[in-house]
Amino acid sequence: KQEVTQIPAALSVPEGENLVLNCSFTDSAIYNLQWFRQDPGKGLTSLLLIQSSQREQTSGRLNASLDKSSGRSTLYIAASQPGDSATYLCAVRGGGKLIFGQGTELSVKP
Amino acid sequence: GAVVSQHPSWVICKSGTSVKIECRSLDFQATTMFWYRQFPKQSLMLMATSNEGSKATYEQGVEKDKFLINHASLTLSTLTVTSAHPEDSSFYICGPGAGVPDTQYFGPGTRLTVL
Repeated sequence: KQEVTQIPAALSVPEGENLVLNCSFTDSAIYNLQWFRQDPGKGLTSLLLIQSSQREQTSGRLNASLDKSSGRSTLYIAASQPGDSATYLCAVRGGGKLIFGQGTELSVKP
Repeated sequence: GAVVSQHPSWVICKSGTSVKIECRSLDFQATTMFWYRQFPKQSLMLMATSNEGSKATYEQGVEKDKFLINHASLTLSTLTVTSAHPEDSSFYICGPGAGVPDTQYFGPGTRLTVL
């Protein structure tokens, strides 16, 4: 059974800092991995999708990496801004299902 | 990306009543729809996968007689919480089934509060 873990559960940083969010999964037989952002009480916004054959994807200040063999992914946020404050979720797709981690609650202080 | 709507966005009901949540795929035909539930400060848990024109597939531990799913057309799937109880209070979110290589999108979610 696939299990997805995200560390840390919460993170508070000053504005401008670069930061890394971690995601690990137990079964490396995945099709892809997706990072989402969720604002309080809201739905999910897709940030990045990495196929199992890819090593990384970039979008603006965001960079996601994937090491399928070790079951790890990281989301790197450069020059963080208060508007980046949200919960970040990673999810892996395998067997037709999308399995989510618990999320990392990020707070960027002005 | 896919545009998905959910209605209502929030609902408050009395214990024992039934509540229907609609999920619409606005810009493409969804043969499957994933239904997730999220309790406060927790992650999203897959409840079931609805299939257009056939029965839904429920995850282990999800009562299919309590959470009725109907996928009547390629653009509409509904989740009905029957005889709702306070422990059913949660955030329900749907997402159309995408091709395996494709980005998964979700609706904006429905906040259910059962008094």
